[in-house]
Amino acid sequence: VVMAQSPLSLPVTLGQPASISCRSSQGLVHSDGNTYLNWFQQRPGQSPRRLIYEVSNRDSGVPDRFSGSGSGTDFTLEISRVEAEDVGVYYCMQGTYWPKYTFGQGTKLEIK
Amino acid sequence: EVQLLESGGGLVQPGGSLRLSCAASGFTFSSYAMSWVRQAPGKGLEVVSSITGGGDATYHADFVKGRFTISRDNSKNTLYLQMISLRAEDSAVYHCAKDYRGSFDFWGQGTLVTVSS
Repeated sequence: VVMAQSPLSLPVTLGQPASISCRSSQGLVHSDGNTYLNWFQQRPGQSPRRLIYEVSNRDSGVPDRFSGSGSGTDFTLEISRVEAEDVGVYYCMQGTYWPKYTFGQGTKLEIK
Repeated sequence: EVQLLESGGGLVQPGGSLRLSCAASGFTFSSYAMSWVRQAPGKGLEVVSSITGGGDATYHADFVKGRFTISRDNSKNTLYLQMISLRAEDSAVYHCAKDYRGSFDFWGQGTLVTVSS
């Protein structure tokens, strides 16, 4: 399953919203009825950190300015008001087709 | 607190071998599938190998099949990646990651593998 993100580069002004799209080449609804679409944040020099799982569930400690949505093959990560600590690369990943999990190319968010 | 601590990376010549380890703590290790995910310098993330909680099933990406072997020792709460016939394109940071419900909920800090003469 190929995951395609856009844009690949995202310059954003502090306090402004940001949106990242992720499209899968196949539907991500698992036979159990769940959709295993995840979002990860990788800050410079750090390991990836999961932000969102199963499309829209925020991990503990993730600010509520981050939200995930979508269904089928089209998904979106939104940041309502970008802060300086949000700089990094964001990846979507499908976990529906175990063990062949696949990541998007990554979207680099930077501050204008 | 879940902790994953990788070790075993380093500089190796093309054609050489390395064995990576990932020491896990803070959860019931044998209950979870685990994976190795790598990231080449300046590049994205890719799953290298995965293994079920009991170790009875494994997966290796096509680009490492026949060269890398994932294994685990549940008595030691440790995940391994045996790598042979290493190539320059295998140079990357290798992370171990805990697999839960179609996701990687915890990641290690990674260990750097550099394949160069």
